Amino acid sequence: GESVGLHLPTLSVQEGDNSIINCAYSNSASDYFIWYKQESGKGPQFIIDIRSNMDKRQGQRVTVLLNKTVKHLSLQIAATQPGDSAVYFCAESSNYKLTFGKGTLLTVNP
Amino acid sequence: KAGVTQTPRYLIKTRGQQVTLSCSPISGHRSVSWYQQTPGQGLQFLFEYFSETQRNKGNFPGRFSGRQFSNSRSEMNVSTLELGDSALYLCASSLDRGANTIYFGEGSWLTVV
Repeated sequence: GESVGLHLPTLSVQEGDNSIINCAYSNSASDYFIWYKQESGKGPQFIIDIRSNMDKRQGQRVTVLLNKTVKHLSLQIAATQPGDSAVYFCAESSNYKLTFGKGTLLTVNP
Repeated sequence: KAGVTQTPRYLIKTRGQQVTLSCSPISGHRSVSWYQQTPGQGLQFLFEYFSETQRNKGNFPGRFSGRQFSNSRSEMNVSTLELGDSALYLCASSLDRGANTIYFGEGSWLTVV
């Protein structure tokens, strides 16, 4: 069956450092993958997505890498700021629905 | 441009009651999906609506239902509420089915007592 999981449930970094959040997926038929950020009391906020035919995509301070060989997805946040503290979810899209991982709590220490 | 709007934001219901949650998608978006978020199960897909028709359904009992109106607004209903239905219910919209970018609302917090 389909499943998306996260390697690390929590991640603590110093302000200014780079953060890397990892995700494993099992459905090789997924169309694309998305990273969401969820702050306390709010809904998930779209960060960046990547199509299954791509290996890398960059946004503002964020980069998503997709390794289809090992079914691995990662989100890199450059120069992490206190405002980046949140739970980050990876999700895979297949058959017009999203399957989410459990989430990683990112804490940025000043 | 207004985002996805969900009402009510918070509600408390008693076991056995029923509840209706409302979602207004982003203007122009035609696809609406619903998700349940709990600490134990995370984010789980409930159903997807497009052109007033349910196109996809997750693994939830028949007590969970929904509908979509001609203006793309959607409602979901949970009947015979159970304690385990306490969760954050999230609505998401996208321009079309299979559209890359899916936007979520702030959710409706349901507590069943």
